Amino acid sequence: AQSVTQLDSHVSVSEGTPVLLRCNYSSSYSPSLFWYVQHPNKGLQLLLKYTSAATLVKGINGFEAEFKKSETSFHLTKPSAHMSDAAEYFCVVRGGNNDMRFGAGTRLTVKP
Amino acid sequence: NAGVMQNPRHLVRRRGQEARLRCSPMKGHSHVYWYRQLPEEGLKFMVYLQKENIIDESGMPKERFSAEFPKEGPSILRIQQVVRGDSAAYFCASSPTGSGIYEQYFGPGTRLTVT
Repeated sequence: AQSVTQLDSHVSVSEGTPVLLRCNYSSSYSPSLFWYVQHPNKGLQLLLKYTSAATLVKGINGFEAEFKKSETSFHLTKPSAHMSDAAEYFCVVRGGNNDMRFGAGTRLTVKP
Repeated sequence: NAGVMQNPRHLVRRRGQEARLRCSPMKGHSHVYWYRQLPEEGLKFMVYLQKENIIDESGMPKERFSAEFPKEGPSILRIQQVVRGDSAAYFCASSPTGSGIYEQYFGPGTRLTVT
């Protein structure tokens, strides 16, 4: 069965410093993986997706993620955090019935 | 091209009333998914529909919840005899097909409060 585990429920960084949000996946076959962002009281916006093409995936707003099969990881990174990056981030794997299976989320706080 | 639309955005119901949540998928999308987000949690899959068909309802509670996606009009998630535990944000998503290479596009959600 497909599932994801987000290793940190809350990450706090200073503005201008790197961001690392960790996600491990479990899948019986080559997975489709996604990162979504949710700003307070807003819907979800797709940041990036991996669907078995390049292992380094570039997304919007300077985010990128690297698919590492040997580590079953799909961590989200950004070189320099902005205040506007403060939000909830969800790692998602596509399930066998086309449903999206969400991690519990990581809340990113950006300090000035 | 308008995105996924959901209405109402906020819905308040008293215990025992019915809640109807509507979702219009993106133009050209024939696959609709409903998810529920409880406070401080990620989204949980509820049901997957195509036009006039329920494909997968494995995430739907067995009682009081139903969903439809008619040939014409929006998809409807209906909750009968609501209870306080139904208070949550309900998100609808759509995709052009059921293929795994396509991401799902999410609507802004309906926040249901049961008093």
